[in-house]
Amino acid sequence: DIQMTQSPSSVSASVGDRVTITCRASQGISNWLAWYQQKPGKAPKLLIYGASSLQSGVPSRFSGSGSGTDFTLTISSLQPEDFATYYCQQGNSFPALTFGGGTKVEIK
Amino acid sequence: EVQLVDSGGGLVQPGGSLRLSCAASGFTVSSNYMTWVRQAPGKGLEWVSVIYSGGNTYYADSVKGRFTISRDNSKNTLYLQMNSLRAEDTAVYYCARVSGSSGWHIDNWGQGTLVTVSS
Repeated sequence: DIQMTQSPSSVSASVGDRVTITCRASQGISNWLAWYQQKPGKAPKLLIYGASSLQSGVPSRFSGSGSGTDFTLTISSLQPEDFATYYCQQGNSFPALTFGGGTKVEIK
Repeated sequence: EVQLVDSGGGLVQPGGSLRLSCAASGFTVSSNYMTWVRQAPGKGLEWVSVIYSGGNTYYADSVKGRFTISRDNSKNTLYLQMNSLRAEDTAVYYCARVSGSSGWHIDNWGQGTLVTVSS
C-alpha cells in the first residue's frame, strides 16, 4: 500500500504570509496527486489535481508542484478564508485512494 | 450544477446495520465512478469503497465483507449498506464523485452523514 506523509501537521501563519505544505509518497506516484481544503463541519473541497492543475473556481494564490514522491502545496498570500485543514491524496493505486494525515493552517 | 445529498446516518448499536443514501443531481451516477469516504471524529480522511461505471466494486480491507456499495440508476442514487457495525466505524460518511482527468481524484463531495456506533 502507498502511504502519504504530510508535513507539518500544523502551521501558524498570518494573513499575507506564504505557506508551503509538503506531501511525500512511500513510492513513486507520477503526478497523480490531489490537494483538498476542509473547513470545520464541511466536506473537503478539491483545490489541485494532477499535482499542479488548479480546479475551476479556486483562487490563483493556490499552486501545486512535484512529481514522483515529493509534492508541495503553496498558498502565496494567505487570506482569512484559507484557515483550514489541507489534505493530499494519491490516485496512483486506484481504486484505493490514500490520503495524507492533514495539515492544519492556524491563525498566528 | 452537480449536487450530492447524503442521508441515512444515525445511532446504531454494535453489530447492527444501517444503509446510507446519496442522491445525485446534475449528472448521471451510473456513468461515473462513485465512492464513499469516511472521517472519524477529529481524524483524517479514509477511503471506504468505490463502484465503477461498469459496476465493478472495491472495498477497503477494514470494511470488506461487511459493507456493500450499490446504486439505483432509476433514482440516480448511490448506497452504502453497512452490516456488523463496530465502534471504529463511527464517522462522518461522504459520498463523492471520482474523476480520472489527470489522475484519479474526487471532484465533488456530498455534505456528509454521521454514523455513530455505540451501545
